[in-house]
Amino acid sequence: EIVMTQSPDSLAVSLGERATINCKSGQSVLHNSHYKNHLVWYQHKPGQPPKLLIYWASTRESGVPDRFSGSGSGTDFTLTISNVQAEDVAVYYCQQHFSAPYTFGQGTRLEIK
Amino acid sequence: QVQLQQSGPGLVKPSETVSLTCNVYGGSISSYFWSWVRQPPGKGLEWIGYINSRGNTQYNPSFGSRVTISVDTSTNQVSLKLHFVTAADAAIYYCARERSAVVGNFFYYYGLDVWGQGTTVAVSS
Repeated sequence: EIVMTQSPDSLAVSLGERATINCKSGQSVLHNSHYKNHLVWYQHKPGQPPKLLIYWASTRESGVPDRFSGSGSGTDFTLTISNVQAEDVAVYYCQQHFSAPYTFGQGTRLEIK
Repeated sequence: QVQLQQSGPGLVKPSETVSLTCNVYGGSISSYFWSWVRQPPGKGLEWIGYINSRGNTQYNPSFGSRVTISVDTSTNQVSLKLHFVTAADAAIYYCARERSAVVGNFFYYYGLDVWGQGTTVAVSS
């Protein structure tokens, strides 16, 4: 099983500032056959189902604001939220889909300072 | 616009089986994988397993043989059965569509892009 570890567990940023969330996988999730990282990011707000934000580590899902961006490859990944808005308050999860079971990170709670 | 509508009991007794259903509206169940994910109270997300329209499944080994996912293409329905439940199985259970593609010999995964509303399952006698 690939262990996904996120940091920090929670963070508080001011409106308009940048939030950075890290995700580290226990082994590489880069498919050498097509050079895509099978790493996705979700946003989860209370009372709602999770929402897909980013796939292939850095490709934004359709309709996701461009203040959300993903980067990284192999085992180290980052979700960056620029110009944080009040509606971005949520828990953010990374998930690998390289090998089953398709594990999630423990989540990072984003709050407004 | 594909929508997933979940149904199932909110309360189940220990050692019994919880059965949840996910109805797919506005799109075909074919050509996709369908996953189940859960979130225990105060905890993070946990992948349970998936199924495709041909009935091929993959389960999280942490559930052992307790989990069964099935699909009914005639009714556009995906189902989850979790047997011998305990208090540790209390959670919000979600069904979700997995968007992926096979291009040539390559498999591309795009994520769980459509989710059901979630079903809260409590376990108590």
